[in-house]
Amino acid sequence: DSGVTQTPKHLITATGQRVTLRCSPRSGDLSVYWYQQSLDQGLQFLIQYYNGEERAKGNILERFSAQQFPDLHSELNLSSLELGDSALYFCASSPDQGRGTYEQYFGPGTRLTVT
Amino acid sequence: ELKVEQNPLFLSMQEEKNYTIYCNYSTTSDRLYWYRQDPGKSLESLFVLLSNGAVKQEGRLMASLDTKARLSTLHITAAVHDLSATYFCAVSYGGATNKLIFGTGTLLAVQP
Repeated sequence: DSGVTQTPKHLITATGQRVTLRCSPRSGDLSVYWYQQSLDQGLQFLIQYYNGEERAKGNILERFSAQQFPDLHSELNLSSLELGDSALYFCASSPDQGRGTYEQYFGPGTRLTVT
Repeated sequence: ELKVEQNPLFLSMQEEKNYTIYCNYSTTSDRLYWYRQDPGKSLESLFVLLSNGAVKQEGRLMASLDTKARLSTLHITAAVHDLSATYFCAVSYGGATNKLIFGTGTLLAVQP
């Protein structure tokens, strides 16, 4: 158990809908990262937040957005869903920048199925 | 743009034999990670390699990093069935952001 929690575990929804995925980082970790894992794209970095501020963006679609709240939990919002958005979405957290290995600890993931 | 390549993509191993997975990356980075993923599960951190020549070992797995060649290897000694999983290398890209760029993964299957 990495200490990172994600809810829900599974989500089944229809095309065109909007969903919110939630992540709680390990206690004390300020950085939260979101990754998408799919069969055709592999594991891709989406976005990073650090202490409430967006730090880096990757291959994140405009239909997707994220935020990190004052209690450091993060939410990934996916809207106008398409079949191709079906994937496993991971959240990872790491300690404050500048300390140690910058190791990222991954949550259990949310499996999103768009029908 | 940083690219990370792993090979082989699939490795069928016999028990008690030794194997190596290779991870090449295209631009300079000072942090390389190895993760293990069981089917349908999360990513489990195996090793973090921070400097040229770094070598880390845990059980039957040993990882090394050559930053000049932009190459990391994951060596498996005397494979056992418990090691069957998908292994990913990931390279830190973007300085302080530490976003990870993952390789394609190597699916290891240990045959009795």
